[in-house]
Amino acid sequence: QQQVKQSPQSLIVQKGGISIINCAYENTAFDYFPWYQQFPGKGPALLIAIRPDVSEKKEGRFTISFNKSAKQFSLHIMDSQPGDSATYFCAASKVQAGTALIFGKGTTLSVSS
Amino acid sequence: DSGVTQTPKHLITATGQRVTLRCSPRSGDLSVYWYQQSLDQGLQFLIQYYNGEERAKGNILERFSAQQFPDLHSELNLSSLELGDSALYFCASSVEEEQYFGPGTRLTVT
Repeated sequence: QQQVKQSPQSLIVQKGGISIINCAYENTAFDYFPWYQQFPGKGPALLIAIRPDVSEKKEGRFTISFNKSAKQFSLHIMDSQPGDSATYFCAASKVQAGTALIFGKGTTLSVSS
Repeated sequence: DSGVTQTPKHLITATGQRVTLRCSPRSGDLSVYWYQQSLDQGLQFLIQYYNGEERAKGNILERFSAQQFPDLHSELNLSSLELGDSALYFCASSVEEEQYFGPGTRLTVT
């Protein structure tokens, strides 16, 4: 049973465009939703995260939009750059000391110059 | 650099063997998590330790075990290895909900 569903599996965006990756979760007990960026041969790096008490969080070119009623959240990358080409994972967990992350399957983003 | 270190970076071994993967968390982080990343299963949680105690278990096989030592470093032991155990193994550490991942150990079972 996949608790976090991520789409699309792959995405090609032109330089300067907006990249949008979507995730949906099932467990309403989840209350922490991070996004990770992973480059080949590297570990996942925490990019940005949101708690369900806000509907949007922005850090630089990266924005998370959160829809609690629909149990969905998305990552928007504005002004996408070739250096953003990587695999992006959404995840969910319950906020308490030491709760494991449940990951989506990942989205491979390619930004063409 | 996340501050989490893992050794070795690569490991090649034969079926039936046993290996130990090591993780040192970020300074001050009490929680250590182990994850397995494979092409077909994605990133899957294996086990978590908090200040030396097992806190949670995920999809960890009985052939796998882990421990966290008094200095907070952790080891993941994989035994009776099978071809299907070939994967990237990551550890992560956290003080609250934010988890920071190490660079991983790539295990190849031949």
